[in-house]
Amino acid sequence: AQSVTQLGSHVSVSEGALVLLRCNYSSSVPPYLFWYVQYPNQGLQLLLKYTTGATLVKGINGFEAEFKKSETSFHLTKPSAHMSDAAEYFCAVSRTYKYIFGTGTRLKVLA
Amino acid sequence: DVKVTQSSRYLVKRTGEKVFLECVQDMDHENMFWYRQDPGLGLRLIYFSYDVKMKEKGDIPEGYSVSREKKERFSLILESASTNQTSMYLCASSLVEAANTGELFFGEGSRLTVL
Repeated sequence: AQSVTQLGSHVSVSEGALVLLRCNYSSSVPPYLFWYVQYPNQGLQLLLKYTTGATLVKGINGFEAEFKKSETSFHLTKPSAHMSDAAEYFCAVSRTYKYIFGTGTRLKVLA
Repeated sequence: DVKVTQSSRYLVKRTGEKVFLECVQDMDHENMFWYRQDPGLGLRLIYFSYDVKMKEKGDIPEGYSVSREKKERFSLILESASTNQTSMYLCASSLVEAANTGELFFGEGSRLTVL
């Protein structure tokens, strides 16, 4: 069975600091991996996804994530946090029609 | 611009009422999904549909049913609302060709409170 674990339900960073949101997956076969972002009072939107090919994936708003099969990880990073990055972030995995979402990490950006 | 529209952003219902949550997408997507979002639990799949009149149960279908009479519309029905169904409900859609590699497009959510 597939599953996704997001370490840290809340993360705080200072504006301009590195953002690192952790995601580990469990899958018996190579997974397809996603990061979604949810701004307050909105639905989720896709930040980036890994399906095949290059393991470093670039997304919108300066975010990127690296697929590391040996570590079963797909951590999300951004070199310099901006106030507008404050949101909830969800990692997800899919291998069938079902997308399995993590429990989310709420990012707070401090001025 | 692609769009998934959920008809009601906020609803307050009483225990035992029948509740309809409507979702419409304008992208001609074959797949449509209903998720429930609760703090600390993330998103959990209630039902999904891969074609008109076709549906499959997700992880938490108990207490819910769905209807897909037209390609663009996917309705979630709570036959007899209970307080433990107080939650945020999110509708999503995707292309069938994309299958499990494609992007899910989400509506803004319907926050349901059952008193």
